[in-house]
Amino acid sequence: EAQVTQNPRYLITVTGKKLTVTCSQNMNHEYMSWYRQDPGLGLRQIYYSMNVEVTDKGDVPEGYKVSRKEKRNFPLILESPSPNQTSLYFCASSFLRQGAGSPLHFGNGTRLTVT
Amino acid sequence: TQLLEQSPQFLSIQEGENLTVYCNSSSVFSSLQWYRQEPGEGPVLLVTVVTGGEVKKLKRLTFQFGDARKDSSLHITAAQPGDTGLYLCAGPEIIQGAQKLVFGQGTRLTINP
Repeated sequence: EAQVTQNPRYLITVTGKKLTVTCSQNMNHEYMSWYRQDPGLGLRQIYYSMNVEVTDKGDVPEGYKVSRKEKRNFPLILESPSPNQTSLYFCASSFLRQGAGSPLHFGNGTRLTVT
Repeated sequence: TQLLEQSPQFLSIQEGENLTVYCNSSSVFSSLQWYRQEPGEGPVLLVTVVTGGEVKKLKRLTFQFGDARKDSSLHITAAQPGDTGLYLCAGPEIIQGAQKLVFGQGTRLTINP
């Protein structure tokens, strides 16, 4: 089954404790992206990657890191989490197709709470 | 960055009623996508509209792309509780050769039995 898999689904941590949220897709998509979703603010892009070893900042990259060593994986790293990073996080992927807008396939989300 | 404004932000109606939600921008988009997000899940693509004036139907859902490709609407006929969810519109934006999707803030729809 074609899917984007995120882990964990729920995570409660304390300020400053490094964490990684994993994301894997099995559709051979070139493009992968991380979003955070907050009430009243919608989906905001954190980082994206257009292919292996190619990553770039989205709209809200501060406090986050990513890597794209393999095409299928795109982990999100919080080196020193803070309470304002409490949010619902989504990983998404798609084929790269300029202009028409390839549809994004989303994971089921990771709800992160930083205390 | 191009902006997409959705209205209304919240809508609660009774089963069987009709409704329309809107997605507006001051910018022209090459296409617009509509997603539905249910609690505990990620957004799922419903439809992509590409041509100005295009109308697409998905059972009781009708999607329209404005003639000028600056706006879109989603009309639901005879709404059912299963239509409950967050509806998001999104459009592609090209910045320095990189494609990204811009999302509206969403319309949270509740259909009461």
